[in-house]
Amino acid sequence: EADIYQTPRYLVIGTGKKITLECSQTMGHDKMYWYQQDPGMELHLIHYSYGVNSTEKGDLSSESTVSRIRTEHFPLTLESARPSHTSQYLCASSEYQGRQETQYFGPGTRLLVL
Amino acid sequence: GQNIDQPTEMTATEGAIVQINCTYQTSGFNGLFWYQQHAGEAPTFLSYNVLDGLEEKGRFSSFLSRSKGYSYLLLKELQMKDSASYLCAVLAGAGSYQLTFGKGTKLSVIP
Repeated sequence: EADIYQTPRYLVIGTGKKITLECSQTMGHDKMYWYQQDPGMELHLIHYSYGVNSTEKGDLSSESTVSRIRTEHFPLTLESARPSHTSQYLCASSEYQGRQETQYFGPGTRLLVL
Repeated sequence: GQNIDQPTEMTATEGAIVQINCTYQTSGFNGLFWYQQHAGEAPTFLSYNVLDGLEEKGRFSSFLSRSKGYSYLLLKELQMKDSASYLCAVLAGAGSYQLTFGKGTKLSVIP
């Protein structure tokens, strides 16, 4: 069982607000990821990090930004929320063990922007 | 680019066996994962294949053929709680740790 946490689990917010979605893991994993998933659709990678002070954009263009100041913490920020940002945001972390690099997911944050 | 295909929906009877197929075309290949995702929840890891062949783990088995770009997830002795989406994901590209996910197969188990 993986120890990866996300807060808040649910968020309803008005257009134009700045929000930060928190993600933390206690496994000491170097690699962390943010995915966006609309209902019934596939996961799309929006940000990832290979370690402290490393952040990269993923395949899906996103107006969000991330930071990685500590190994265990990978917050995602939206400077000005819009209805198009309504989605589920999933955080994951991974570690290479043997031949396997397995990603473990947090419970997700469901965001609704009015 | 990366392309992963799997059926959108499947229905099977409790106690039966179901096979969920996944085909992929990717630039490079470092392994294929299957995840289970219940509605409204996060994906949970089921299996990993990087070499050809069958990996068995309890009621779930996963098969890989790299030459055919093909994998399947086999679920035996289906239970109602197995109703979920099953996501095929490929780790592709040299030195890449990024997973590309398929759209998922929604499995409904009926009595």
